[in-house]
Amino acid sequence: AQSVTQLGSHVSVSEGALVLLRCNYSSSVPPYLFWYVQYPNQGLQLLLKYTTGATLVKGINGFEAEFKKSETSFHLTKPSAHMSDAAEYFCAVTNPTDSWGKFQFGAGTQVVVTP
Amino acid sequence: DGGITQSPKYLFRKEGQNVTLSCEQNLNHDAMYWYRQDPGQGLRLIYYSQIVNDFQKGDIAEGYSVSREKKESFPLTVTSAQKNPTAFYLCASSYTSGATDTQYFGPGTRLTVL
Repeated sequence: AQSVTQLGSHVSVSEGALVLLRCNYSSSVPPYLFWYVQYPNQGLQLLLKYTTGATLVKGINGFEAEFKKSETSFHLTKPSAHMSDAAEYFCAVTNPTDSWGKFQFGAGTQVVVTP
Repeated sequence: DGGITQSPKYLFRKEGQNVTLSCEQNLNHDAMYWYRQDPGQGLRLIYYSQIVNDFQKGDIAEGYSVSREKKESFPLTVTSAQKNPTAFYLCASSYTSGATDTQYFGPGTRLTVL
């Protein structure tokens, strides 16, 4: 069975500071990895995903994430936070060997951006 | 514009009533999903459908039912058997149900039981 752990349910960052959201997975095989963002009372929007190829993945809104197999991690970063980055962020994984791509979501990290 | 619509946005239900949440997509996706979201718990899968006229239970299907009679539509019924139905419900779809396929989400329905 696979699982996803997001360290820190709430993160506060200053505007202009680095955003770092942590995601670690537990899986018998290296999974496919996704980051989603959710603004209040809205659905989830894909930020980026890693399936194969380059382990550093760039997404929308200036976010990027790096798959590190040795650390079983897929941390999300953005060099400079904007007020508009205030939202909840979810890491998710799927198992390449499953019969279908069931998403396993982390519990989410709420990001607050302070002026 | 292609996308997923959910209605209503807010829904209030009295105890003992069944309610149906609508989900429609015009993305020509084969697979559709229903999730429940509670604070601090991420998303939990209720039901999924890989193709029209077929659907499977997810992790928390008790007290819920679905149908998939059309490719575009995947309504969710919350029955009176669901003990704690107050939550935010999200519908999603993907081109197929493959492990690399991105799931696209609707705006959600917030259900409150009075």
